[in-house]
Amino acid sequence: QVHLQESGPGLVKPSETLSLTCSVSGGSMNNYYWAWIRQPPGKELEWIAYMYYTGSPSKYNPSFKSRVTMSVDSSKNQFSLRVSSVTAADTAVYYCARVGIGCMDVWGQGTTVTVSS
Amino acid sequence: EIVLTQSPGTLSLSPGERATLSCRASQSVASNYLAWHMQKPGQAPRLLVYAASTRATGIPDRFSGSGSGTDFTLTISRLEPEDFAVYYCQQYGASPPFSFGPGTRVDIK
Repeated sequence: QVHLQESGPGLVKPSETLSLTCSVSGGSMNNYYWAWIRQPPGKELEWIAYMYYTGSPSKYNPSFKSRVTMSVDSSKNQFSLRVSSVTAADTAVYYCARVGIGCMDVWGQGTTVTVSS
Repeated sequence: EIVLTQSPGTLSLSPGERATLSCRASQSVASNYLAWHMQKPGQAPRLLVYAASTRATGIPDRFSGSGSGTDFTLTISRLEPEDFAVYYCQQYGASPPFSFGPGTRVDIK
């Protein structure tokens, strides 16, 4: 069974870059899209980006205004997210997920990221 | 942009009762690409239903999805103790590629 695990710093300073990695185990990344989603405290789930296992095609949520970069390294069974120029509004639980059958069919446990000086 | 609205915000029921959760879209969801996810505190969301009415692998048959166009429903026929959680609907048929509803919390009465 496929398992996803997010990793990264739990605390990031304002204006810095947030970097997260999702490790995929128990299955191949091939032939799937992979995605990042976040949930700010008390708010709704919000998709950030998704990308095919080859690195293309990809799509980003326009609300992030080019602050976001996603990459996939299927040889390492990992994919990553970078969010630049973070503010307190980027404080959230960040989830990675597999996109199968069109929607998120496997989710990671989530990692809490706090933006604070 | 498709906006999803869920009702009620909170549903207080007892184990064994039937739960009916609603998800309404601001525009018709293409091909009924509507999914339901369950999330328990501190846990990852879990896919329950996709394509409006197809149960995901391993999901008990007490969970059923229905609806089309702009109105969708998730029904839990008899609530088990492990079913008390937050339920999110998600559309994946239009622009933006994905959007989620605000969630319905099912509490123990």
